[in-house]
Amino acid sequence: DGGITQSPKYLFRKEGQNVTLSCEQNLNHDAMYWYRQDPGQGLRLIYYSQIVNDFQKGDIAEGYSVSREKKESFPLTVTSAQKNPTAFYLCASSIDWHGSKSQHFGDGTRLSIL
Amino acid sequence: GESVGLHLPTLSVQEGDNSIINCAYSNSASDYFIWYKQESGKGPQFIIDIRSNMDKRQGQRVTVLLNKTVKHLSLQIAATQPGDSAVYFCAVGNQGGKLIFGQGTELSVKP
Repeated sequence: DGGITQSPKYLFRKEGQNVTLSCEQNLNHDAMYWYRQDPGQGLRLIYYSQIVNDFQKGDIAEGYSVSREKKESFPLTVTSAQKNPTAFYLCASSIDWHGSKSQHFGDGTRLSIL
Repeated sequence: GESVGLHLPTLSVQEGDNSIINCAYSNSASDYFIWYKQESGKGPQFIIDIRSNMDKRQGQRVTVLLNKTVKHLSLQIAATQPGDSAVYFCAVGNQGGKLIFGQGTELSVKP
């Protein structure tokens, strides 16, 4: 079955530590996205990538970094500069960037502070 | 800036009743609208979408209505079942790849 796989499901970060969240898709989609979800709130866009080897900052990129070296992979690093990293992180993909398209989501990674 | 909002953060209905979840958006240039369902601990799941050249679209037990005049979108669920209990989000697109998400309405179905 095609889909988006996020790992790990739960992650704990120590003070001053960088952590990387994995996102892999086998849908052959060009565009990929990272969102942050806080309790009772909508999804906020962290970074997005229209195509492999390209990415842009979203609305809340500070303290985060990404790479897009392969079409199927879009890892997110939460750096020590992100002072409030506790949240549910969702990765999504869409077939391409041209015109509005639906986005398919993974099942998320919940990040907590130790 | 652009915004998407929901009228009610929570909605409680009796099993078998119809549910209506509402959403308002601010950008009159918005041309694509989606409803997602999110169960606890999982990612959002696509339910139904509609483009701005339509007023209504029906799926299995779900109907989306779009009123572009007042910039309002609604999701109707017929004969609501316990398995429909979840958080429902609307999302709005504007000719690019980005979607703007509303805050979500938590639907509870009482048996």
